[in-house]
Amino acid sequence: DTGVSQNPRHKITKRGQNVTFRCDPISEHNRLYWYRQTLGQGPEFLTYFQNEAQLEKSRLLSDRFSAERPKGSFSTLEIQRTEQGDSAMYLCASSLADRGTHYGYTFGSGTRLTVV
Amino acid sequence: DQQVKQNSPSLSVQEGRISILNCDYTNSMFDYFLWYKKYPAEGPTFLISISSIKDKNEDGRFTVFLNKSAKHLSLHIVPSQPGDSAVYFCAASEANFGNEKLTFGTGTRLTIIP
Repeated sequence: DTGVSQNPRHKITKRGQNVTFRCDPISEHNRLYWYRQTLGQGPEFLTYFQNEAQLEKSRLLSDRFSAERPKGSFSTLEIQRTEQGDSAMYLCASSLADRGTHYGYTFGSGTRLTVV
Repeated sequence: DQQVKQNSPSLSVQEGRISILNCDYTNSMFDYFLWYKKYPAEGPTFLISISSIKDKNEDGRFTVFLNKSAKHLSLHIVPSQPGDSAVYFCAASEANFGNEKLTFGTGTRLTIIP
């Protein structure tokens, strides 16, 4: 399978706990993006990487959120001290540099986080 | 501030007819526009894009029209098929300014009636 893979698909956690999501992009793609989608809204940009370098972070990404892409391959998104407002679908996408905004990213199926 | 707006949350169209989905934007710096389709429990899938230097782009049954002066774009699907039932998102970027971020609208749920 050459698509974007995200794990887990679903995560239910208690408020205050830490959670970590993983994204495996298409192997030849050097750009990797994280977006968040809440009910009734479109995806909102969180951050993106080119290889291992994190090039941009949204103001939506508070200090409780951290993303890494240590070897320029897979990426993790960690949320510390989760709050109910963090409940959302977290989407990962990948693309070749300079092509994502012209020809579209490839999105994964997402990780749905529910904070109770 | 919603920079990309899809004012119709839902749309129902008879199979075989034309589906027209609309999108408005406010940011004059946007220079690339994309449409994505999303089925339940899946991530969005890229459909078609258009550069701001064009006013039309066609790919099979899908055509996107861009009216820069009105800051408006639309997606036409002809003929509509049951498999087109999905949520459609309009997205925009400042690609030529080196901004890789996509700004999405809130989506329109299209239902094709057999």
